[in-house]
Amino acid sequence: DAMVIQNPRYQVTQFGKPVTLSCSQTLNHNVMYWYQQKSSQAPKLLFHYYDKDFNNEADTPDNFQSRRPNTSFCFLDIRSPGLGDAAMYLCATSRDQGQRYIQYFGAGTRLSVL
Amino acid sequence: SQQGEEDPQALSIQEGENATMNCSYKTSINNLQWYRQNSGRGLVHLILIRSNEREKHSGRLRVTLDTSKKSSSLLITASRAADTASYFCATEPGEFWGGSEKLVFGKGTKLTVNP
Repeated sequence: DAMVIQNPRYQVTQFGKPVTLSCSQTLNHNVMYWYQQKSSQAPKLLFHYYDKDFNNEADTPDNFQSRRPNTSFCFLDIRSPGLGDAAMYLCATSRDQGQRYIQYFGAGTRLSVL
Repeated sequence: SQQGEEDPQALSIQEGENATMNCSYKTSINNLQWYRQNSGRGLVHLILIRSNEREKHSGRLRVTLDTSKKSSSLLITASRAADTASYFCATEPGEFWGGSEKLVFGKGTKLTVNP
């Protein structure tokens, strides 16, 4: 089945130790998104790619970076995680035609910072 | 600023009962979507209603949209324990970039359906 896959499902890192979260998709969608979701809160968009064009949200900290080496893969890099970065990170995709407003989400990576 | 606001924040009902969740938003929209999130999982798209539609059905789901009041409601009929999840409305704030719209999610309603 076509889907959005996030690895790992759970990630534990130490304060200040760089961490990378990955997302892959078999939907062949042009657009990929990264969201941060804290407990009992709405998902908050960090940035998105339309093909290789990167779009950063104005309030996304510089500590968060992203790479999209090809259509299928997208990575979220947290350069120096702080305790406040502990959250669920969600990857999503959407197409740029047809039902382009609908987003397809992965299961998420829950990040803990010790 | 946040676009969608759901209420109630939490709802607990018995199996077989209907569940109604509401969403209010602030700016004009092209469409509004509802998503479900099971605990510790990603979001799943449920239904999309366009601004020129007033009501839409999908299985046990019924969504209404009142653009004059900037509000929407999601009704789940004959609820089941498996419907236990958080439900989010999502709107696009009218910005357009690339080929896809950005979504802004509300805080969600946590629904518990007791067996």
